[in-house]
Amino acid sequence: GQQVMQIPQYQHVQEGEDFTTYCNSSTTLSNIQWYKQRPGGHPVFLIQLVKSGEVKKQKRLTFQFGEAKKNSSLHITATQTTDVGTYFCAGLGTSGTYKYIFGTGTRLKVLA
Amino acid sequence: GAGVSQTPSNKVTEKGKYVELRCDPISGHTALYWYRQSLGQGPEFLIYFQGTGAADDSGLPNDRFFAVRPEGSVSTLKIQRTERGDSAVYLCASSFSGQGRPSDGYTFGSGTRLTVV
Repeated sequence: GQQVMQIPQYQHVQEGEDFTTYCNSSTTLSNIQWYKQRPGGHPVFLIQLVKSGEVKKQKRLTFQFGEAKKNSSLHITATQTTDVGTYFCAGLGTSGTYKYIFGTGTRLKVLA
Repeated sequence: GAGVSQTPSNKVTEKGKYVELRCDPISGHTALYWYRQSLGQGPEFLIYFQGTGAADDSGLPNDRFFAVRPEGSVSTLKIQRTERGDSAVYLCASSFSGQGRPSDGYTFGSGTRLTVV
């Protein structure tokens, strides 16, 4: 079945450094979403990417969908302590499925 | 309501007991999902409802798990003969989706932390 992996599993950065997490699907995706989960909280929707090669920006966050629609990345510029949390990608398959498969997540810690 | 509401927030039960977890989605959201999240893992899909019907229940681990949504709003996830391996946070999410595909992302509830002792 469809699998979604993320790397790295953990990342510690100094405040002000950049951060990138990568998401890879075993199958071609219809679209991909990104979520942020703060410690002790629930996942919160960030963005959805649909088109091959699509790039979207939200302030310091840049999201990209690969040309083959099998991978995606989230890049944070100049991290802040408020960026702490686990970032999940979630992919929707192309076979008419209704369910998003969540990735394994990347836990980000920002050191002040 | 303003958000997705899940009750109870915490549930401790003995092995072998029956539990019900409730989800009250955002008003007007036709799509409702149940996910399960174990510590350090991503949410794992359980079941999806479009309206009153379960459109996809392929994620339910076995026949001890069952979910209903009789009036197309509130949903209840039911677990029979609970086992210690069922311990996890059970997340409910809803979205406004006319075609079964969330176009604007899921809104998750705060979850029910189930502990089977």
